[in-house]
Amino acid sequence: GQQVMQIPQYQHVQEGEDFTTYCNSSTTLSNIQWYKQRPGGHPVFLIQLVKSGEVKKQKRLTFQFGEAKKNSSLHITATQTTDVGTYFCAGGTLTFGKGTMLLVSP
Amino acid sequence: NAGVTQTPKFQVLKTGQSMTLQCAQDMNHEYMSWYRQDPGMGLRLIHYSVGAGITDQGEVPNGYNVSRSTTEDFPLRLLSAAPSQTSVYFCASSYGTGTDLRETQYFGPGTRLLVL
Repeated sequence: GQQVMQIPQYQHVQEGEDFTTYCNSSTTLSNIQWYKQRPGGHPVFLIQLVKSGEVKKQKRLTFQFGEAKKNSSLHITATQTTDVGTYFCAGGTLTFGKGTMLLVSP
Repeated sequence: NAGVTQTPKFQVLKTGQSMTLQCAQDMNHEYMSWYRQDPGMGLRLIHYSVGAGITDQGEVPNGYNVSRSTTEDFPLRLLSAAPSQTSVYFCASSYGTGTDLRETQYFGPGTRLLVL
């Protein structure tokens, strides 16, 4: 079945550094979604990408969908302590990646 | 709107006990689902429903039952709890009736379950 792999599993950065997490699928995805889960909280929807090569921005967050629709990335510019949490991607058939845990030190 | 609500927030069970995790949504969403979250394993789909009276299995359905008698409610039943079912359980809902994940999933706050 469809699998979505996410890397890295964990990243620790200093506040102000950039951060990127990658999501790769073994099959072509119809769409991809990104979620953020704060420690002790529940996943919260961030964005959905549908088109090949699509790029969307939300303030310091940039989301990309690959040309082949098999991979995606989330890039955070100049991280802040409020960015702490686990970031999940989810592929077209309800398959979530294992997430990337981001820790930001002040 | 309350969104997606889950009860209880915490539960401790003994091996072999049964219980029901409650999930309700007031957004008139057709699609509802249950996930379990374990450290390092991400979110794994247990069961889902595309509408009242319709349920189907996800990735890890063994040991769990569901029913969908109304649009609003989607309870998850543990028939005979095992320590391997210790986890955090999330219920989610969304618009749409397809399993193609094109709609925003709204998650409940979760139920933390410990099976001794």
